[in-house]
Amino acid sequence: QQQVKQSPQSLIVQKGGISIINCAYENTAFDYFPWYQQFPGKGPALLIAIRPDVSEKKEGRFTISFNKSAKQFSLHIMDSQPGDSATYFCAASSEYNFNKFYFGSGTKLNVKP
Amino acid sequence: DGGITQSPKYLFRKEGQNVTLSCEQNLNHDAMYWYRQDPGQGLRLIYYSQIVNDFQKGDIAEGYSVSREKKESFPLTVTSAQKNPTAFYLCASSIGGRLAQHFGDGTRLSIL
Repeated sequence: QQQVKQSPQSLIVQKGGISIINCAYENTAFDYFPWYQQFPGKGPALLIAIRPDVSEKKEGRFTISFNKSAKQFSLHIMDSQPGDSATYFCAASSEYNFNKFYFGSGTKLNVKP
Repeated sequence: DGGITQSPKYLFRKEGQNVTLSCEQNLNHDAMYWYRQDPGQGLRLIYYSQIVNDFQKGDIAEGYSVSREKKESFPLTVTSAQKNPTAFYLCASSIGGRLAQHFGDGTRLSIL
């Protein structure tokens, strides 16, 4: 059973548009939620992360929204650019086993010029 | 420049053969990890190590083995017992605690 469910599997957005990727989880012990960006042939790179004591975190064009009661969190990419075309993964870890991260299945984003 | 180096970038295995994937980090991180990435399945944890000479099984450890004799190195051996080894293998490290992981650029393993 997948601990973190991610959607959509793929996403096409026009340049300048907003890209939205959603993740949901069941384990209420999860308390750290990073997002990773991966380009083809490369390892994932940390993009932005959030803890459940805040509902939103913004870094440049990237924003994480967090809904603790719904057990959902999402990544918003504002003013999407062709260089943002990559695969994005959400992840979660628990305070009880903080060395173990559970990853979503990934979203392949294609930003069209 | 600090980072994680995985080698080789591409690796081919014959049936019944063991192969070892290298992972070296110069970030002075205590924790190291091995993940397997298959299309559409995200990353699945194979093994992780929090300190030298100690490691723990992840979710899909069967057919794999690791060692952690030095802080900088965490090699992964894909044994002949792993029946479906074709995948992209990623090594990661973290300073420990609740901080996110840094990843290498992966090794793509294929079967001849």
